[in-house]
Amino acid sequence: ETGVTQTPRHLVMGMTNKKSLKCEQHLGHNAMYWYKQSAKKPLELMFVYNFKEQTENNSVPSRFSPECPNSSHLFLHLHTLQPEDSALYLCASSRSSGEADTQYFGPGTRLTVL
Amino acid sequence: GQNIDQPTEMTATEGAIVQINCTYQTSGFNGLFWYQQHAGEAPTFLSYNVLDGLEEKGRFSSFLSRSKGYSYLLLKELQMKDSASYLCAVRDSNYQLIWGAGTKLIIKP
Repeated sequence: ETGVTQTPRHLVMGMTNKKSLKCEQHLGHNAMYWYKQSAKKPLELMFVYNFKEQTENNSVPSRFSPECPNSSHLFLHLHTLQPEDSALYLCASSRSSGEADTQYFGPGTRLTVL
Repeated sequence: GQNIDQPTEMTATEGAIVQINCTYQTSGFNGLFWYQQHAGEAPTFLSYNVLDGLEEKGRFSSFLSRSKGYSYLLLKELQMKDSASYLCAVRDSNYQLIWGAGTKLIIKP
């Protein structure tokens, strides 16, 4: 238990569906991250939020839309996804995004796009 | 470009010692992390090195040589529960984490 929870743990969706992934951290951190993890590939950073402000968007397609209503919650809204978007989506948090702070990860949402 | 290299897969025997290497080429350096990830679970933090040398933490040790762009994770007295993927990540000059693809470690009885 790392103090970061994610729901759902598994999600299967069609290309025309709209769904949302949720992340919550109970560590009092101020920075939150979305990563994509595909088999045998490095973690890909998607978005970074620091004190609820988005500070990083690594050229992520607009079919992925993040939302950070407060420092404890992070959402990833999904719409019109492609089969190649199937992956493990990991959420992480740290005290701050601009310092050498350790990131703590949630267990991830395994997403399958049909 | 920025690059982290680590072996894709390694096999070791229960009770033995294994060394997982990581080499990096990044824009600047602000520390190197090792994480452990069991299948279907969250990556969990193992160690952090920012200065050259060896950091020991129980059965696990991590070594860093900044001049060589090289680190290793040493696991002693291997247990079956150590079967997992081990991820190396370097924080660059912009404090972004650059990740390796991970090393899958298989422990055999």
